[in-house]
Amino acid sequence: AQTVTQSQPEMSVQEAETVTLSCTYDTSESDYYLFWYKQPPSRQMILVIRQEAYKQQNATENRFSVNFQKAAKSFSLKISDSQLGDAAMYFCAYRQGGSEKLVFGKGTKLTVNP
Amino acid sequence: KAGVTQTPRYLIKTRGQQVTLSCSPISGHRSVSWYQQTPGQGLQFLFEYFSETQRNKGNFPGRFSGRQFSNSRSEMNVSTLELGDSALYLCASSINPSTDTQYFGPGTRLTVL
Repeated sequence: AQTVTQSQPEMSVQEAETVTLSCTYDTSESDYYLFWYKQPPSRQMILVIRQEAYKQQNATENRFSVNFQKAAKSFSLKISDSQLGDAAMYFCAYRQGGSEKLVFGKGTKLTVNP
Repeated sequence: KAGVTQTPRYLIKTRGQQVTLSCSPISGHRSVSWYQQTPGQGLQFLFEYFSETQRNKGNFPGRFSGRQFSNSRSEMNVSTLELGDSALYLCASSINPSTDTQYFGPGTRLTVL
């Protein structure tokens, strides 16, 4: 079974600084997708970024970018110029190709200090 | 375009009762998935529906069931509630269940007393 591991239960960053959240996953499949979701105190799960395993180029969305290391099965999220509104739980998720099921990590709580 | 909506947002039930939660997907989305979120177990997949058919089911007891209607709206039902069923229940929708991103609703917070 596929597993997703987020080794940092909590992280903190100063406003305007950069922070990297770690995620590793375990799979024997070659066709899969990886996601980072953000869950603020409102509990609404918001998509941050998505990466297809077949794409070698790392995905970016404005201040958010990933470092996708397929051989190492690593998928870290970098947040640049951190803002107070970035404070939330961040979940890394895996989805096998052809499946709808998301497998989530335990999450990393990000605090942004002013 | 309106997002995924879930009703009710909050619910309090007692042990032994049953509950029905509703999810309306984004317009045009035909796939709906349900997840349970608890502090102890994290986010766990319950089931997924596409075109009124359950395509995938997580490792939950038979007390958890669901269905999808022709307009893609989905309901999940939990019978004989237990204290451990207290959780945030999240619904997500997507256009194509195999390739597209899932977009989540705000969730229904269920408390079982």
